[in-house]
Amino acid sequence: DTGVSQDPRHKITKRGQNVTFRCDPISEHNRLYWYRQTLGQGPEFLTYFQNEAQLEKSRLLSDRFSAERPKGSFSTLEIQRTEQGDSAMYLCASSTAFGLASSYNEQFFGPGTRLTVL
Amino acid sequence: GIQVEQSPPDLILQEGANSTLRCNFSDSVNNLQWFHQNPWGQLINLFYIPSGTKQNGRLSATTVATERYSLLYISSSQTTDSGVYFCAVSDYKLSFGAGTTVTVRA
Repeated sequence: DTGVSQDPRHKITKRGQNVTFRCDPISEHNRLYWYRQTLGQGPEFLTYFQNEAQLEKSRLLSDRFSAERPKGSFSTLEIQRTEQGDSAMYLCASSTAFGLASSYNEQFFGPGTRLTVL
Repeated sequence: GIQVEQSPPDLILQEGANSTLRCNFSDSVNNLQWFHQNPWGQLINLFYIPSGTKQNGRLSATTVATERYSLLYISSSQTTDSGVYFCAVSDYKLSFGAGTTVTVRA
């Protein structure tokens, strides 16, 4: 079990550019989550997948954001036309859970991708 | 959505001291987790504790689900305990509190 991995760890980009982040979950986990954390705040939910299906998107996820999880394995989060307000830590988590309100759903987080938009 | 309140927001301890962090939540939940965020931003799982009491070394946690609160106890604190502690609750997606920033001084 190598844990959740994320790539890149840091990304600096100029306003208006597109960026893509990758998350590799723990191999046997069927759920994958994306969260965003700004300075001094707790992480906030963005979206999640069960296998390859994207089941919910937060209202925080504007139409400039898109996430995919092809084949139910790794996931990508793309931000188009980045804005300075997108600067944050983007965290990925995974879990093993079944059903919408599983009685067990312990989530494990990756190291995060820190995005800075200049 | 579920509201999560953590107290105190900041805690300064002398090495060796004991402390209690509190987490209140607004609705019944299936899951509750405590995390420690290290200086590099990684969230480290401390406890998965939707109810009951667990202990892991110098740390222990208690969740009283019927009264919608959880407590994290740190005993004999060490400088390596410094960082931000988050409580998060969920039915499927996690809702985090604002965290408690703990500083342990040598």
